[in-house]
Order: sequence, then structure tokens, then C-alpha cells
Amino acid sequence: EPEVTQTPSHQVTQMGQEVILRCVPISNHLYFYWYRQILGQKVEFLVSFYNNEISEKSEIFDDQFSVERPDGSNFTLKIRSTKLEDSAMYFCASRETGGKETQYFGPGTRLLVL
Amino acid sequence: GESVGLHLPTLSVQEGDNSIINCAYSNSASDYFIWYKQESGKGPQFIIDIRSNMDKRQGQRVTVLLNKTVKHLSLQIAATQPGDSAVYFCAENISGGANSKLTFGKGITLSVRP
Repeated sequence: EPEVTQTPSHQVTQMGQEVILRCVPISNHLYFYWYRQILGQKVEFLVSFYNNEISEKSEIFDDQFSVERPDGSNFTLKIRSTKLEDSAMYFCASRETGGKETQYFGPGTRLLVL
Repeated sequence: GESVGLHLPTLSVQEGDNSIINCAYSNSASDYFIWYKQESGKGPQFIIDIRSNMDKRQGQRVTVLLNKTVKHLSLQIAATQPGDSAVYFCAENISGGANSKLTFGKGITLSVRP
């Protein structure tokens, strides 16, 4: 069964450093999402992406964040200058089109900012 | 804003019993609802969904009930098994278009006693 994959599974970085989190969505999906989950809290929407552009972003997704689909398979989230409060699990999700609303999530990347 | 904490509500059930997990959603315009299961260190896993034109939907061992009048969603798990132990999240969205971001509830921990 096709699934969303994410790399790396864990990332430790120093405050102020740039990180890039990578996702490979399910191959026939056209809508892509990033969510984050701070330890012990609920999953929060960050950004949605369709047709090579951001369709919606939350207030969390400030100028330090960017997304890109550099080729036909990868979908990346970049944090330019990480802060301590960026420590969280980051989940990528994707869904089909044509009225199919179900979003399928990847296993996540655990980001720890020191 | 909402208050959040490190401790999720917990439902403890005996193996073999039925479980009922409840969720109150916030947006009366939401028309699509999903239950996700999240095991420790993993991403949210799709369980079952329901559209607002239905009030009940059944899957394998799971049933979702929707009460739009009081904005309430429930997940019933029949014959609960140890493998059902996880955190369960309800999520809502307004379907259609490029956005369809999911808004997650706070999550409930289901603990199954052998």
C-alpha cells in the first residue's frame, strides 16, 4: 500500500541553524500539507500546497518557514533560522483530488532545537 | 487562545469491551470529519471518516457517529484489543478546494487493560 515517507526521522540542530525536512507524498496525490505537533499537544496545521504554490498557511508559518516541491516527488519544509520553540514533530500529509478529502500522514520528523 | 497541557484525557477499558471516544468540534461550517489513531512515535493513521450528510458510518470494528446539532462526534470501537491502545484524534475540515486544512481536537489516550 502506498504511503507518505519522511526523512530524516530525527534531526537535532543548534538554534539559528537552517533545517530542511523532506517528504515524499503518495505518488498520485496533488495536495500536500505540513503539520506540527509539539510534545503532548494536538496536531497543528502549518501550510497547504497545491499546483506549485501555497494555498493556505497558518499564523505559525511565518517568514522563517518555506515550502518547495523541487521535483516531481519531493516536498520540503525549510526553517531558515530555528528557534527553541520549533522543537516538535513535523508531519507531512497528502491527498488525492476529485473530492477525496482524506489526508494521509507520514511518520514524522522529530526536530530538536538546542 | 485555547489552554493546552501535557496530559491528555485517558479512557481505560478492559480488553474485549466496547470503547466510546467522544469529540466536540468547533466549526459549524465543517462538513467532513475524520478519526485518526496515533501510536507512540508515529504519524496519525486514518481510521474512518464521515461527511455531514450522514449521521453514522461503520467500518471494520469501528463506527463513527455525528451529531451536527450539538457539534459532537464519537468513535465506537467494538471488542477493544490491546493493539487499539493509542491516542485518538478527531479532525474536522471544510471540504473542497485547494485548502481543506484539518483542524485537530486535543486527543484522547485509549488504554486497553489485558
